[in-house]
Amino acid sequence: GQQVMQIPQYQHVQEGEDFTTYCNSSTTLSNIQWYKQRPGGHPVFLIQLVKSGEVKKQKRLTFQFGEAKKNSSLHITATQTTDVGTYFCAGPGAYGNKLVFGAGTILRVKS
Amino acid sequence: NAGVTQTPKFQVLKTGQSMTLQCAQDMNHNSMYWYRQDPGMGLRLIYYSASEGTTDKGEVPNGYNVSRLNKREFSLRLESAAPSQTSVYFCASLPRGISFGQYFGPGTRLTVT
Repeated sequence: GQQVMQIPQYQHVQEGEDFTTYCNSSTTLSNIQWYKQRPGGHPVFLIQLVKSGEVKKQKRLTFQFGEAKKNSSLHITATQTTDVGTYFCAGPGAYGNKLVFGAGTILRVKS
Repeated sequence: NAGVTQTPKFQVLKTGQSMTLQCAQDMNHNSMYWYRQDPGMGLRLIYYSASEGTTDKGEVPNGYNVSRLNKREFSLRLESAAPSQTSVYFCASLPRGISFGQYFGPGTRLTVT
């Protein structure tokens, strides 16, 4: 079945440093979504990318969708303590409005 | 709007006991989902309901049953709980159309001893 792999599993950065998480799919994706989960909280939808090579920005967050639509990345510039949490990517399942989630990248920020 | 609500927030069961996790959404969404979250494994889909009266298995359905009671409510039942079902359970809903992300409830933390 479809798999979505995410790396790294864990990253600990100094406040002000940049952070990137990568997502790779075994198949071509029609779109990819990104979610953030704060410690002890629930996943919250951040963004959806649809087009090949698409780049979207939300303040210090930059999301990219690969040209082949099989990979994606989330880059955070100058991390802050509020960025702490787990970031998940998710691609559509084989059918229906289902999602296949990556295992997530846990971000810790040291102030 | 309360969004997606789940009850209970926490539950401890003994092996073999049964229970139902409740989920409700007040956003008039058609699709609803049940996920479990285990450390290092992301979110895995248990069951899915595209609309009232329809349900479909996800990636890890064994040991669970669901019921889409009406458009608002989607419940998850554990008939005979096992320690392997210790997890955090999230319910989610999705607006019509695939341009939007899923809305998640606050979760139920379940421990089976």
